[in-house]
Amino acid sequence: KNQVEQSPQSLIILEGKNCTLQCNYTVSPFSNLRWYKQDTGRGPVSLTIMTFSENTKSNGRYTATLDADTKQSSLHITASQLSDSASYICVVSYSSSGTYKYIFGTGTRLKVLA
Amino acid sequence: GAGVSQSPSNKVTEKGKDVELRCDPISGHTALYWYRQSLGQGLEFLIYFQGNSAPDKSGLPSDRFSAERTGGSVSTLTIQRTQQEDSAVYLCASSLGASGTLAKKIETQYFGPGTRLLVL
Repeated sequence: KNQVEQSPQSLIILEGKNCTLQCNYTVSPFSNLRWYKQDTGRGPVSLTIMTFSENTKSNGRYTATLDADTKQSSLHITASQLSDSASYICVVSYSSSGTYKYIFGTGTRLKVLA
Repeated sequence: GAGVSQSPSNKVTEKGKDVELRCDPISGHTALYWYRQSLGQGLEFLIYFQGNSAPDKSGLPSDRFSAERTGGSVSTLTIQRTQQEDSAVYLCASSLGASGTLAKKIETQYFGPGTRLLVL
């Protein structure tokens, strides 16, 4: 069964600290993996998109890694800011019958405290 | 420089009523997606449009759900005879809809703010 699991479910850190969010998936055939940031009451915003051949991709203070062999990804946030407080969603895409399907994780809720 | 817009932002309805949700994609985006986000659940794909046609309707949960897109732009998602389990945030996203397998594979989807539907 195609699944995406994220951990931890929630996380609280102090401003300025780093943190790493995890995403494990059992999706096949793998197409790409995306990380989104979703502020409360808003739609998700894309942070990174990685295909099979990419191991790491950065977007400012956000760095995503992908290990296609172990089917794991991580999102590392450096020098966290209060505005990083949000849900972070991992999405894995696979191809099926000529279209792309998307499996969403339930997200990690990050709270950054001053 | 408008992004994806959705209306209404909130909708409260009684069980058994029909509701219509609207999505205005980014101008020039030919691909449009509808998703549902229930409390405590991950986003769930509903339907995908390329232009006015829907090559993938596999996510629609029942025949009470339908969607259409006209003029390659605005899309409406209709839920007939709403049930309490339909309560959720309905999100719309659009993307360029580029031709070519690789381009389509890695296209960024831009999401709207969602419509929060509550069925009493």
